[in-house]
Amino acid sequence: NAGVMQNPRHLVRRRGQEARLRCSPMKGHSHVYWYRQLPEEGLKFMVYLQKENIIDESGMPKERFSAEFPKEGPSILRIQQVVRGDSAAYFCASSPERLAGYNEQFFGPGTRLTVL
Amino acid sequence: AQRVTQPEKLLSVFKGAPVELKCNYSYSGSPELFWYVQYSRQRLQLLLRHISRESIKGFTADLNKGETSFHLKKPFAQEEDSAMYYCALYSYDKVIFGPGTSLSVIP
Repeated sequence: NAGVMQNPRHLVRRRGQEARLRCSPMKGHSHVYWYRQLPEEGLKFMVYLQKENIIDESGMPKERFSAEFPKEGPSILRIQQVVRGDSAAYFCASSPERLAGYNEQFFGPGTRLTVL
Repeated sequence: AQRVTQPEKLLSVFKGAPVELKCNYSYSGSPELFWYVQYSRQRLQLLLRHISRESIKGFTADLNKGETSFHLKKPFAQEEDSAMYYCALYSYDKVIFGPGTSLSVIP
């Protein structure tokens, strides 16, 4: 089991372009979480998805950000018209079932987005 | 409001000395608390969870509901403990992370 995969590992975009970040959960995991880590800050929850459903997007900025987890393929975090403030590390995690005290989520290596 | 605080951004201790990484939380229900660790150039991974009351790599953490704390402790720090440590709270399908404490163990 290769673990949670994220690609690309590094992404450079100019202001106004689109950034598309991919996350492949661990085999057998149907729950995916996205987090953002701004420079000098901790991880901030963005969105929780199950296959074809957004369960909780309370941490997503209201504009320009969207996420999906289709029936087939990886989960995608899309940022439209990127701005410098979007520069951060974006982490994906997955779990086999809904989070609770007895289970855990497994993290990917992250995608570092730099907006020029 | 649900929140996790870690008052120390950086913590340096000598090898063999005791270490305590502080974590306080604010949560209205019954909390489920965890410690995650990120070693240099590795991905974030679970260190321990309060529900299992386990000791991992010599680390322990006790949930103190009266003080709303979940401090991480180890009696004798090792160089390989140098890493970033995050306290985390599970809350309705999401995880709320503290800002993290960078632990540096000086040989």
